[in-house]
Amino acid sequence: DAGVIQSPRHEVTEMGQEVTLRCKPISGHDYLFWYRQTMMRGLELLIYFNNNVPIDDSGMPEDRFSAKMPNASFSTLKIQPSEPRDSAVYFCASSAGLRPNTIYFGEGSWLTVV
Amino acid sequence: QKEVEQDPGPLSVPEGAIVSLNCTYSNSAFQYFMWYRQYSRKGPELLMYTYSSGNKEDGRFTAQVDKSSKYISLFIRDSQPSDSATYLCAMSQGAQKLVFGQGTRLTINP
Repeated sequence: DAGVIQSPRHEVTEMGQEVTLRCKPISGHDYLFWYRQTMMRGLELLIYFNNNVPIDDSGMPEDRFSAKMPNASFSTLKIQPSEPRDSAVYFCASSAGLRPNTIYFGEGSWLTVV
Repeated sequence: QKEVEQDPGPLSVPEGAIVSLNCTYSNSAFQYFMWYRQYSRKGPELLMYTYSSGNKEDGRFTAQVDKSSKYISLFIRDSQPSDSATYLCAMSQGAQKLVFGQGTRLTINP
């Protein structure tokens, strides 16, 4: 299996622009997670889905952030409008069931908002 | 106070040394304890997983969980330059919402 695939790997955008990050989970995994990693706050859970349904979005920082999972093999995290403080590495992860030892992370999307 | 505290380092040791990495936590409901290794510009990868208290060994790596003290440790024996990475502890109450430490940056010098 190719693992969790994220795109783009790097994005530089101007403040106010819309940013869309994409994720393809591991085939057969029924949980999908979006995390954000910054130097100041470390790795934080933003939202997670089970069988394409959002279960907990309490980590989403504000209304500018939204996430969707239209099918089992694709999810997006959208920021609109983007701000410099959104600069971070965004990781997607997936797992098979509620077993933390089956959570696999993608390589991340490095976002810089200038 | 953060739920999970981890010294960010950096920590630099000579090759072959025993490395000790630690995390403390405040939520007594945590039951799942993990250590992730993250190489530069890569995603975290699971290194060790422990449910509840106790020790677990895997090759050169040993994970310990002391729930009474709310303290977990990762030991690396015979450290190698390839072990140079950031090590993140993570824990959760239910299996799905992991809370991560800040990560400790480790360098093993040849």
